Amino acid sequence: AQTVTQSQPEMSVQEAETVTLSCTYDTSESDYYLFWYKQPPSRQMILVIRQEAYKQQNATENRFSVNFQKAAKSFSLKISDSQLGDAAMYFCAYRSWSNAGKSTFGDGTTLTVKP
Amino acid sequence: EPEVTQTPSHQVTQMGQEVILRCVPISNHLYFYWYRQILGQKVEFLVSFYNNEISEKSEIFDDQFSVERPDGSNFTLKIRSTKLEDSAMYFCASRTGGNTGELFFGEGSRLTVL
Repeated sequence: AQTVTQSQPEMSVQEAETVTLSCTYDTSESDYYLFWYKQPPSRQMILVIRQEAYKQQNATENRFSVNFQKAAKSFSLKISDSQLGDAAMYFCAYRSWSNAGKSTFGDGTTLTVKP
Repeated sequence: EPEVTQTPSHQVTQMGQEVILRCVPISNHLYFYWYRQILGQKVEFLVSFYNNEISEKSEIFDDQFSVERPDGSNFTLKIRSTKLEDSAMYFCASRTGGNTGELFFGEGSRLTVL
């Protein structure tokens, strides 16, 4: 069974600074997806960024980028130029390659952005 | 922008009562999911649904749980006889077909069992 571990329950960053959220996972599969979801308070989770395991290039989405280390099973999220609106719970998630694959989530990291 | 909607946003019920949580997935989506998040714990997979049948379910999804897509729009989760430990936030999610489809989540239904 796959597991996802986020070792940082809470992180804080100064506005305009950069922060990195950690995620490690365990799987025996070679093809899979990794995601970072953002959950603002009392709001639904929304996708921040996605990485396909077969792609060596790290995904980037505006101020959000990942450092995907497949051999180390590590998938960290870097947020550059942090904004107040980035404050949220961030979940790392793993999904198998199969069409109906469930997603396995980490415990989440609460990010606080200080003005 | 299309979104997944869930009702009710909060339901309080007595232990042993039946509860139905409702979801309206995005209209052209093919895969449907229920997840739950007990307060302070991680988001847990309950069940996935495709082509009018359950495609996968977790150990949590025992005989007390059932899902249904009674018409072309609604996707429901029923808990037949609620227990205290069923208190959680329940999230519905949906996605398009194909491997790369991202999950779109609803805002969740908070269930409190007394």
